[in-house]
Amino acid sequence: DQQVKQNSPSLSVQEGRISILNCDYTNSMFDYFLWYKKYPAEGPTFLISISSIKDKNEDGRFTVFLNKSAKHLSLHIVPSQPGDSAVYFCAASDTSGTYKYIFGTGTRLKVLA
Amino acid sequence: GAVVSQHPSRVICKSGTSVKIECRSLDFQATTMFWYRQFPKQSLMLMATSNEGSKATYEQGVEKDKFLINHASLTLSTLTVTSAHPEDSSFYICSASLPAPYNEQFFGPGTRLTVL
Repeated sequence: DQQVKQNSPSLSVQEGRISILNCDYTNSMFDYFLWYKKYPAEGPTFLISISSIKDKNEDGRFTVFLNKSAKHLSLHIVPSQPGDSAVYFCAASDTSGTYKYIFGTGTRLKVLA
Repeated sequence: GAVVSQHPSRVICKSGTSVKIECRSLDFQATTMFWYRQFPKQSLMLMATSNEGSKATYEQGVEKDKFLINHASLTLSTLTVTSAHPEDSSFYICSASLPAPYNEQFFGPGTRLTVL
């Protein structure tokens, strides 16, 4: 039972344009969400997070949007740069519980120069 | 700050041997550490939650006698893959969690295990 899903396994975007990565979850107890960037054979690197009390969080080129009613979050990267090419994972956590993260299946982003 | 290291970064072993992987939080004390494994082109699957001074909590389907976890101090957790088999070959990643109320997880660089 995949509680966190990223339905697009890959995405290609032209440099300078917006990249939109999507994530859906099923567990209504999740109240904290994160996005991580990962290169092969490396650990994930934290990008941005959002608490369920917010619907938007912005940090530089990265913005995360949360739609609780739809159980959907998205990561916007603008403008996209070739160095953004990596696999992006969303993760969800129930902070009333053990704080463990449940990761999505990942989306491979390729930013074309 | 918040640096997590893993050792070794890569290990190749023969089938039947045991392999120990260390996870250290270098600049903070972590009461909780997590162990994940990742198969190629797949998600990070949580294996277990490791709490300092107590037994680890394993996720459903993870054999606790196969994957021994010890969290002996606030900066060190170890994962021992016992009697390794080729199907245990994977990328193992640990994370260390800041204490409450932050609970942010910081990830190590991972360990590539190959069992021949």
